[in-house]
Amino acid sequence: EVQLVQSGAEVKKPGESLKISCRASGYSFTTSWIAWVRQMPGKGLEWMGNIFPADSETIYSPAFQGQVTISADKSISTAFLQWNSLKASDTAMYYCARRSSLDYWGQGTLVTVSS
Amino acid sequence: DVVLTQTPHSLSVTPGQPASMSCKSSHSALHSDGKTYFYWYLQKPGQSPQLLIYEASNRFSGVPDRFAGSGSGTDFTLKISRVEAEDVGVYYCMQRYSFGQGTKLEIK
Repeated sequence: EVQLVQSGAEVKKPGESLKISCRASGYSFTTSWIAWVRQMPGKGLEWMGNIFPADSETIYSPAFQGQVTISADKSISTAFLQWNSLKASDTAMYYCARRSSLDYWGQGTLVTVSS
Repeated sequence: DVVLTQTPHSLSVTPGQPASMSCKSSHSALHSDGKTYFYWYLQKPGQSPQLLIYEASNRFSGVPDRFAGSGSGTDFTLKISRVEAEDVGVYYCMQRYSFGQGTKLEIK
């Protein structure tokens, strides 16, 4: 069974750094893209970027380029999304999803940034 | 960038009745490989989105056959033949990682 299990909710202050994770199981991690999708409170879905774990090739949405870093560790079948300096506007639910079809989704990680 | 426009914004349907929603794209979803890369998702309240339809008209694994996707080029439709209470939520279309703004389905 394909599963994407994300790390737990985070509460951070503006300016702090953060790295959230998405652990994959039930398929060969290195053979499928992993995407990250943002959903701000009460809003729709926004694609942030993708990573191909086999070689860590990444593609970013122009809206998120330079704002976040996507990475992956093949040895633990886990993808990551990180921020160096959080802003209040980064408060959102973040989802990982598999493949360009986004066929399987993680349960989401709620990130709250507040002073 | 692909812009997807979903209509209606919301839909209120009596259980057992059909429902239909539309998504119009600013760019053709037909790829040079002959496939149409267009998707529909349902986000039930408090849950992650789930894939319903891939490549415009194929039901994903486990999706009931009351859901049907159709369309080509820039115009696509999702139909539910007989709405059930568990179908409530927001339906999103997606093409080339651009999402529509969603259609919210409620039960009367």
